[in-house]
Amino acid sequence: GQQLNQSPQSMFIQEGEDVSMNCTSSSIFNTWLWYKQDPGEGPVLLIALYKAGELTSNGRLTAQFGITRKDSFLNISASIPSDVGIYFCAGQRDAGGTSYGKLTFGQGTILTVHP
Amino acid sequence: DTGVSQNPRHKITKRGQNVTFRCDPISEHNRLYWYRQTLGQGPEFLTYFQNEAQLEKSRLLSDRFSAERPKGSFSTLEIQRTEQGDSAMYLCASSLSIRRRVKETQYFGPGTRLLVL
Repeated sequence: GQQLNQSPQSMFIQEGEDVSMNCTSSSIFNTWLWYKQDPGEGPVLLIALYKAGELTSNGRLTAQFGITRKDSFLNISASIPSDVGIYFCAGQRDAGGTSYGKLTFGQGTILTVHP
Repeated sequence: DTGVSQNPRHKITKRGQNVTFRCDPISEHNRLYWYRQTLGQGPEFLTYFQNEAQLEKSRLLSDRFSAERPKGSFSTLEIQRTEQGDSAMYLCASSLSIRRRVKETQYFGPGTRLLVL
């Protein structure tokens, strides 16, 4: 099935460093979301973006909805060991009304933080 | 705990056996989604319910797969005659969709990990 292009595939960083990852698509999405998944668990929502150009923060996390609606990025500032996990972007086309809102996910970015 | 719950968390079965998974969504959420996730990949959409009606099925959902959501509450996903290729994490998500409301956030359960031997 279709998946978004997410990069990088993996990152190895030192505690305290900033992290940036992005997601691109060949088609437009109306909503972009970023999830974090720990091993053996389901994805947990970090940030949701509903408007092109929107910049939203959640603590040390900042995400932006690209103006073209075909991309999004996530930044994590001052990383800590508990940031370790897999980060997924997801796009959604039809969020409201009677249309279904299935999510299309990226392949994930595996983040490792060395103390 | 008022989040999405899934049972069982793990299932090991032999090829050819039938398995059934259950998902209990967040109460009052009218939409329920099933996704499948294989190792190293993001979740992929399988099917979706609006209340008790199943409105969309992915081509990933072969004839051996069936999902129900009786009474618009919990949902079950059954796989008949399991194959080794069915081994994956099966995730359930729920959301509250209100007409003309743009924002619809999906909350995921912990998943059921299936291993077919």
